[in-house]
Amino acid sequence: DGGITQSPKYLFRKEGQNVTLSCEQNLNHDAMYWYRQDPGQGLRLIYYSQIVNDFQKGDIAEGYSVSREKKESFPLTVTSAQKNPTAFYLCASRGLADGGGDTQYFGPGTRLTVL
Amino acid sequence: SQQGEEDPQALSIQEGENATMNCSYKTSINNLQWYRQNSGRGLVHLILIRSNEREKHSGRLRVTLDTSKKSSSLLITASRAADTASYFCATDAKGFQKLVFGTGTRLLVSP
Repeated sequence: DGGITQSPKYLFRKEGQNVTLSCEQNLNHDAMYWYRQDPGQGLRLIYYSQIVNDFQKGDIAEGYSVSREKKESFPLTVTSAQKNPTAFYLCASRGLADGGGDTQYFGPGTRLTVL
Repeated sequence: SQQGEEDPQALSIQEGENATMNCSYKTSINNLQWYRQNSGRGLVHLILIRSNEREKHSGRLRVTLDTSKKSSSLLITASRAADTASYFCATDAKGFQKLVFGTGTRLLVSP
């Protein structure tokens, strides 16, 4: 059963704590992405990785960090430096669509709430 | 920065009616894609249209692309209550290696 998994589904954090969100894919995709979605908003890109051991900042990378030690895994750490971390976090990987262009496959998301 | 802007922000229709959503973007693209998101879930890819295509169909979905106007539309025909979701366009811009998502249209289909 191929796909992308994210854990946990819900996460609560106290102010000042770092938390790590998990993203795993078994689709053999090279590229992976992290997005943040706020209520009623579109997706904003946090970080992305085109290949193992390499990643680039997206539009809103401040206060976040990532690693890409394995092709299957792209964990996101939300640090205490992120001033407003409460949001819905989505992970995606990229593969070929039926039209031949690249499309993204999304995980179910993690909802992070800072208490 | 978000490149795509969608219109309308919200749309409410009855089952059986057609729903049309529009997307505008700013730069040259390789392709444009439409995604669907049910509340609190991940996005699901619906359809991709390349920059050299003008229209594409998939089931009850019809997508058009006008590169001269930098705009696209998604038509859902004979809508069903199960089509209730948010719909996002995303552009695969030339020279970039990432998709840029629009702000989305929230569609409500009432039985």
